[in-house]
Amino acid sequence: SAVISQKPSRDICQRGTSLTIQCQVDSQVTMMFWYRQQPGQSLTLIATANQGSEATYESGFVIDKFPISRPNLTFSTLTVSNMSPEDSSIYLCSTTGPERSYEQYFGPGTRLTVT
Amino acid sequence: DQQVKQNSPSLSVQEGRISILNCDYTNSMFDYFLWYKKYPAEGPTFLISISSIKDKNEDGRFTVFLNKSAKHLSLHIVPSQPGDSAVYFCAATPNTGGFKTIFGAGTRLFVKA
Repeated sequence: SAVISQKPSRDICQRGTSLTIQCQVDSQVTMMFWYRQQPGQSLTLIATANQGSEATYESGFVIDKFPISRPNLTFSTLTVSNMSPEDSSIYLCSTTGPERSYEQYFGPGTRLTVT
Repeated sequence: DQQVKQNSPSLSVQEGRISILNCDYTNSMFDYFLWYKKYPAEGPTFLISISSIKDKNEDGRFTVFLNKSAKHLSLHIVPSQPGDSAVYFCAATPNTGGFKTIFGAGTRLFVKA
């Protein structure tokens, strides 16, 4: 299984600022995903990041607000831009699991609080 | 529009007894269902899954049941152990391919010693 780390693990930010979250995988993977979990809510897919192409965003999420980089097969970043208190969430990255399965491996998450 | 619903935010069970976590879905296009377990400060980890062509899948103490006509699935943990205390997420994937997995809001399970 893939081991995924995220930085930072948590942060408290002021509204109007931006935060970049890093996701590192211990093996090369084709697909990486970014999720958001708002308090008491389910995990919601923000975007899919494939190396060498633009990220694909889900409905309700835009590149200007959540720019994503995928410079190589083991690393990705998600930036939360111009933050507001509504952006306070846990942000998780994940990768695909074993071949021919729909499982995903998740990082530990980044807990973001916007004041 | 919540396509995957876990109506019980929490569940408390005595050690050694059965834990039953429930999940309902609305989209008939879902054809693969998964359960994830999440401990505090950790990411979700895959627990067990079931394809829509089956009605039961068992893995040790964990069994998932699928009732397609009722659009309902459940996770049974027998016997429950204190280490099972975690948040359990139900998830579903449509048969359109890709990884558009839809998650429920989770159920927090407390197993009392």
